[in-house]
Amino acid sequence: GAGVSQSPRYKVAKRGQDVALRCDPISGHVSLFWYQQALGQGPEFLTYFQNEAQLDKSGLPSDRFFAERPEGSVSTLKIQRTQQEDSAVYLCASSLYVTARAGYTFGSGTRLTVV
Amino acid sequence: KNEVEQSPQNLTAQEGEFITINCSYSVGISALHWLQQHPGGGIVSLFMLSSGKKKHGRLIATINIQEKHSSLHITASHPRDSAVYICAVGGKGAQKLVFGQGTRLTINP
Repeated sequence: GAGVSQSPRYKVAKRGQDVALRCDPISGHVSLFWYQQALGQGPEFLTYFQNEAQLDKSGLPSDRFFAERPEGSVSTLKIQRTQQEDSAVYLCASSLYVTARAGYTFGSGTRLTVV
Repeated sequence: KNEVEQSPQNLTAQEGEFITINCSYSVGISALHWLQQHPGGGIVSLFMLSSGKKKHGRLIATINIQEKHSSLHITASHPRDSAVYICAVGGKGAQKLVFGQGTRLTINP
């Protein structure tokens, strides 16, 4: 596609429910990032994939968060047993190269509300 | 102290005014990005720069590597420029971005 597509755009989950957030990067983009943006804050890094390899998951806040990109294209961020503090916008970004010389393209985000 | 600091956090101006948003960072970087975020969450990349100055339409971005400081300027501001503007840096050898907290800009007609 022409851009980075994220789905769903909005998700309301009951506390304790598992959720899965999807990111479709631009075709051929090697690098894929997940960021978490709390209300009124800048995004914070969660995890980074280079093709199918998860090279950095240092930003994942707990073992309830899991991300995968099994074929090096679509990625899924899964949050198990959601808590209220997980409420945020989850942003996906992709980049053509391993380095950022081509810049980044961001998706529109998934707004997760845990009630 | 955050690695990336923006000022001001909020800025309200009248249509036509010249706008400046500042960004200071504390780490060595490979590039600095200026991003625009409208309500609804989507982020648009405005500039990526590692030195000097870039201009696109009414937007100008400058960076001073020695002082670890960047500015985003908007000339002849318009209500459609109202958005959150975010500064982000890519560290040397690191692919991920570190973001500032954003500056909420409101341009009144």
